Amino acid sequence: EPEVTQTPSHQVTQMGQEVILRCVPISNHLYFYWYRQILGQKVEFLVSFYNNEISEKSEIFDDQFSVERPDGSNFTLKIRSTKLEDSAMYFCASSPSREGYEQYFGPGTRLTVT
Amino acid sequence: AQKVTQAQTEISVVEKEDVTLDCVYETRDTTYYLFWYKQPPSGELVFLIRRNSFDEQNEISGRYSWNFQKSTSSFNFTITASQVVDSAVYFCALTDAGYSTLTFGKGTMLLVSP
Repeated sequence: EPEVTQTPSHQVTQMGQEVILRCVPISNHLYFYWYRQILGQKVEFLVSFYNNEISEKSEIFDDQFSVERPDGSNFTLKIRSTKLEDSAMYFCASSPSREGYEQYFGPGTRLTVT
Repeated sequence: AQKVTQAQTEISVVEKEDVTLDCVYETRDTTYYLFWYKQPPSGELVFLIRRNSFDEQNEISGRYSWNFQKSTSSFNFTITASQVVDSAVYFCALTDAGYSTLTFGKGTMLLVSP
């Protein structure tokens, strides 16, 4: 069964460093998402991406964040200068269509900023 | 604005008991979609069900059933004859028509003991 994959599973970085989180969505899906979950809290939407551009983003997704689909398979989230409060689990998700379709989530990348 | 409330933070049951997880939502739209996701201890988010606002028919899938009531803005999830493997955090989520971002509740942690 097709699944969303994410690498790395755990990333430790120092405050102020740049990190890139990688995702491979399900191959025939067209919509891609990043969410984050601070430990013990709810899952929060960051950004959605379609047709090589951002379609929606939340207030969390400020200028420190960017997304890219560098090739036909990968979907990346970059944090330019990490802060302690960026420590969270980051989930990538994909969906075959936009409105109302279920999103399939990857296993997540745990980001720890020290 | 959308909001999803899962008032039960944690529920503990003994195996074979039935358990109902509550979800109350708020939205201004007449067309919207509701979801349940399961997050086992391993951390991934597993899609369980999607419901659109025009379909109030209850659904049963094995030991799982869902009760959607627009009159009370609720979308409750019942596990019949719970098992230890059901132990997880369960999230209810909502998206409005025209959007694809999921708004999650805070989740309910279900602990099923043998």
